[in-house]
Amino acid sequence: ETGVTQSPTHLIKTRGQQVTLRCSSQSGHNTVSWYQQALGQGPQFIFQYYREEENGRGNFPPRFSGLQFPNYSSELNVNALELDDSALYLCASRATSGRYRSSYEQYFGPGTRLTVT
Amino acid sequence: GQNIDQPTEMTATEGAIVQINCTYQTSGFNGLFWYQQHAGEAPTFLSYNVLDGLEEKGRFSSFLSRSKGYSYLLLKELQMKDSASYLCAVRDLGSGGYQKVTFGTGTKLQVIP
Repeated sequence: ETGVTQSPTHLIKTRGQQVTLRCSSQSGHNTVSWYQQALGQGPQFIFQYYREEENGRGNFPPRFSGLQFPNYSSELNVNALELDDSALYLCASRATSGRYRSSYEQYFGPGTRLTVT
Repeated sequence: GQNIDQPTEMTATEGAIVQINCTYQTSGFNGLFWYQQHAGEAPTFLSYNVLDGLEEKGRFSSFLSRSKGYSYLLLKELQMKDSASYLCAVRDLGSGGYQKVTFGTGTKLQVIP
C-alpha cells in the first residue's frame, strides 16, 4: 500500500465524451504527476502539479488538463475522447521542498483503466 | 528530449542471476530509477542511483555509469514471483526547471522453473 488512491478503478467511455479521473496523494506529498500507460508500454508523462500549479507537461494535447487542490488531491480531465486514449492512467505523488528540490521516490496509485469505445 | 533503451523481453531460470540493461541519453540528468511492475498493477519502486557505482538492496542491485549513460539492474536468486516488467526511468530537469521522470518501455522478465 502506497497511500495513493485513484478512482474509479475502471471506466468505459464512448469516443467524443469527456472523463475526469481522481487521485488522492500520500499524506504530506505536495507534488503529483500523471502518466498514461498503454498496453505493453512504459508510463508516458502527461503533466505534473506542485502546490496547485502545473509545472511540467509532456507531449499531450491541450484536451488533457488537470487540477490540484489545496489538500494536494488531483484530477485529470480528458475532453473529446479518442480510441487511442484507452490506457491505464497512473498518478504518482512525492514530497517536494521548494520548487526544485524533490524527494527521489514517488509512490504510484493503483491506476484507472480507461476504455474508449 | 530523452531516449531510454532496454531489452523488450528476457527469460531466466529460477535460482539464477539476470542482468537487465538500460541506456539513456538526456540533458540535466538527476537520477535513474528502476521499478517493478506486475501485470495489471502499478509500478513499485526498486532502486535509485544518482552517483556512479553499485547500490545493493537484498537480492536486487543497480549500477550506474553517468559518463556512459548506462545502468543495469541485477536480480539474484531468481524466484518465480520476480516474473514482471522492469522499468528503467530517468529523472532530469525539464524546461522551466521542474524535475521530470521519463520511463523506458520496460523489460518483461519471465522466470521459468
